[in-house]
Amino acid sequence: AQSVSQHNHHVILSEAASLELGCNYSYGGTVNLFWYVQYPGQHLQLLLKYFSGDPLVKGIKGFEAEFIKSKFSFNLRKPSVQWSDTAEYFCAVKSWNQGGKLIFGQGTELSVKP
Amino acid sequence: GAGVSQSPRYKVAKRGQDVALRCDPISGHVSLFWYQQALGQGPEFLTYFQNEAQLDKSGLPSDRFFAERPEGSVSTLKIQRTQQEDSAVYLCASSSRSGTGASNTEAFFGQGTRLTVV
Repeated sequence: AQSVSQHNHHVILSEAASLELGCNYSYGGTVNLFWYVQYPGQHLQLLLKYFSGDPLVKGIKGFEAEFIKSKFSFNLRKPSVQWSDTAEYFCAVKSWNQGGKLIFGQGTELSVKP
Repeated sequence: GAGVSQSPRYKVAKRGQDVALRCDPISGHVSLFWYQQALGQGPEFLTYFQNEAQLDKSGLPSDRFFAERPEGSVSTLKIQRTQQEDSAVYLCASSSRSGTGASNTEAFFGQGTRLTVV
């Protein structure tokens, strides 16, 4: 069965530190890849997405992610985090032959200390 | 509307009670999805509609769960005889095109309904 694994359950960083959140998926076919963010009390918002083309994708708020097909990975990065990045981050995969449903990882809670 | 709207935002139900959760997708969106998010977990797929047709209900955990979208817009997720393990946030998402084939679409999520069964 298709699955998504996020390496870290809870990450604590100081402001200005660099961030990398790991995401691996298990599916051999064509996929779309997403990172969603959920700020406290708010709905899931799309940070960035990969459909095709350049494997390095840039999203909102300075986030980027790199799709490495050979490693089945889609890691999220930000060079310098801010206190306002405190939130929960979800990696998700959509396979082209499964009707558009998303398979989510378990989430990574990011806490940024001012 | 501007986004996906869900109601109620919070629902407390006594065990054994039936509940109905409503989702208003973005106007014109073809696809509608329901997900269940337990505390500390990522959302898990429940069911998918393309217009009024329910094309995938493989994620519904039991026959107590039922979803409909009779006119291809608003959807209702109904849970009969609620149990404590049904306590979760129920998320609705919509997207503008069919999710099958080569379409590259993103889903937009509502704020969810937090269901607590006591």
